[in-house]
Amino acid sequence: GIQVEQSPPDLILQEGANSTLRCNFSDSVNNLQWFHQNPWGQLINLFYIPSGTKQNGRLSATTVATERYSLLYISSSQTTDSGVYFCAVRRRGSSNTGKLIFGQGTTLQVKP
Amino acid sequence: DTEVTQTPKHLVMGMTNKKSLKCEQHMGHRAMYWYKQKAKKPPELMFVYSYEKLSINESVPSRFSPECPNSSLLNLHLHALQPEDSALYLCASSQPGQQNQPQHFGDGTRLSIL
Repeated sequence: GIQVEQSPPDLILQEGANSTLRCNFSDSVNNLQWFHQNPWGQLINLFYIPSGTKQNGRLSATTVATERYSLLYISSSQTTDSGVYFCAVRRRGSSNTGKLIFGQGTTLQVKP
Repeated sequence: DTEVTQTPKHLVMGMTNKKSLKCEQHMGHRAMYWYKQKAKKPPELMFVYSYEKLSINESVPSRFSPECPNSSLLNLHLHALQPEDSALYLCASSQPGQQNQPQHFGDGTRLSIL
């Protein structure tokens, strides 16, 4: 099956710093989503980005599908950015109700 | 994603109890999903319903019984659960039949088995 690797596994930032999270995947995909899971367990959609670049406020994401990776950029980090960031993919060719495969996540802690 | 509503938010039950988790969405989506998430792990798919029919069962034990009574509701019936079934249960929905549609998740039900 498709493998999803996220790096780094853990990240500690000072408030105001910038960071880049990476997601590598082992096969072509037709769905790639970035999620933020806050300390209360809520899984929040950040981006749906199987290819290209998107921006939403301080967050942006880029997926280079041909090279099988995606990057999530967080600028001017805030303490509310703390939590776990997951990348999830669906293999190209699978049904569009097929399973999402999640990476192991990046745990981010932003210190005041 | 508050457009997918899960109840209850927390549930504590004994191993002999029968309970149900509920999920509701009003986005007109025709695919709904149950995921299980253990602490410090990513979500793992359990079941998929597409057009109210079960399309994927990821070899889930029969003590978990899904039900999709209509296009906006998804239930997960629980019976004779084990302590290792304690986890966060997440519901999601998406629109099938179209390319490239994201899944939208509810806030989850945190289940504890005594």
